[in-house]
Amino acid sequence: QKEVEQDPGPLSVPEGAIVSLNCTYSNSAFQYFMWYRQYSRKGPELLMYTYSSGNKEDGRFTAQVDKSSKYISLFIRDSQPSDSATYLCAMSAIENFNKFYFGSGTKLNVKP
Amino acid sequence: GAGVSQSPSNKVTEKGKDVELRCDPISGHTALYWYRQSLGQGLEFLIYFQGNSAPDKSGLPSDRFSAERTGGSVSTLTIQRTQQEDSAVYLCASTIPNGGALYEQYFGPGTRLTVT
Repeated sequence: QKEVEQDPGPLSVPEGAIVSLNCTYSNSAFQYFMWYRQYSRKGPELLMYTYSSGNKEDGRFTAQVDKSSKYISLFIRDSQPSDSATYLCAMSAIENFNKFYFGSGTKLNVKP
Repeated sequence: GAGVSQSPSNKVTEKGKDVELRCDPISGHTALYWYRQSLGQGLEFLIYFQGNSAPDKSGLPSDRFSAERTGGSVSTLTIQRTQQEDSAVYLCASTIPNGGALYEQYFGPGTRLTVT
């Protein structure tokens, strides 16, 4: 079993839709949770991060962590064609925070 | 300022040949990571450097893989006797660790390696 599971998609939505991206994980020691966005032929860039449980909002993006279910989500409101990319979740544990475990990424396509 | 750079951007090599991939981190970043990204597999951790030492090299898949970092800056990932399963995008990231608090890794554009 992989440490982090993520549906690869692709996910295709019309412009303006609300997008929900999710990851599940198996290691209860994970405390740091991150979302990266990766455009084609580019390196990933950090979008949002949260520590432990709860929600965090940044503009059109909201990250949620449910540690009891070992489930994290990224919501994108009013999606734009420029949001079309692959979204990767990543996580690490406090005792070894240098080691990040990534999901396989979900490819999102926002149609104009 | 300049971001993380990697060279070459693309590399095609014959099975059995050795390859060297280079990473230039952001100036002043003490920590450097190598990852491998295969199609549909996400990012696979290979090795982590703090300065010139590698406290965690647990992700290197075999003894054909090695990495070094000199002067606390440039790093080279070497793959000996390449195999077709080594074909992937190799990504480098750098950062400044912040005493246990979460910190952002800055990624380079990657080197796309194809072994024929």
